Amino acid sequence: AQKVTQAQTEISVVEKEDVTLDCVYETRDTTYYLFWYKQPPSGELVFLIRRNSFDEQNEISGRYSWNFQKSTSSFNFTITASQVVDSAVYFCALTRRSDKLIFGTGTRLQVFP
Amino acid sequence: EAGVAQSPRYKIIEKRQSVAFWCNPISGHATLYWYQQILGQGPKLLIQFQNNGVVDDSQLPKDRFSAERLKGVDSTLKIQPAKLEDSAVYLCASSLDTSATNEQFFGPGTRLTVL
Repeated sequence: AQKVTQAQTEISVVEKEDVTLDCVYETRDTTYYLFWYKQPPSGELVFLIRRNSFDEQNEISGRYSWNFQKSTSSFNFTITASQVVDSAVYFCALTRRSDKLIFGTGTRLQVFP
Repeated sequence: EAGVAQSPRYKIIEKRQSVAFWCNPISGHATLYWYQQILGQGPKLLIQFQNNGVVDDSQLPKDRFSAERLKGVDSTLKIQPAKLEDSAVYLCASSLDTSATNEQFFGPGTRLTVL
């Protein structure tokens, strides 16, 4: 069975701090895809990144970076120099090819000025 | 490019009443998904369409929930009769096809409150 665990329910930081959101997944498949989505207060899920199981290269996009480690089944997300606009609920998700997304329970990030 | 449209944005009903939600996916997207997101949880897939055919409805409570996508474009999700535990946000998403490499684009959701 597939499962995604986001153990951090809520994180609070002060602006400009770095913050890491943890994601641990379970799957028996050798081919799978991992995602991060942002859900701001407006409610719409915003796609951030997709990673396939064969690509363990870390990725950086501006202040965002992702660390994918198959050895520990983790796909962690770091925001550098956090800003108030980063406040949202962040979801990690997993899917097999042509299959539904399995979401974690989300981590609520609050960034205070 | 217009995003995924959903209506209504909010709905309040009493238990045992019926309710319907509408979704219009991004033009050209063959795959449409309905997710249920209960407060404090991640979205859970209810049903997935490829054009006007159902790909996966294994988690749809078929005794009370139904969905259709007759012309392979927009879709409606219906609950009849509603229960208290149906209170949730119902998210519609679309993608080009069922390939996992295709990003799913989400609509703003419909927040349902069942009293």
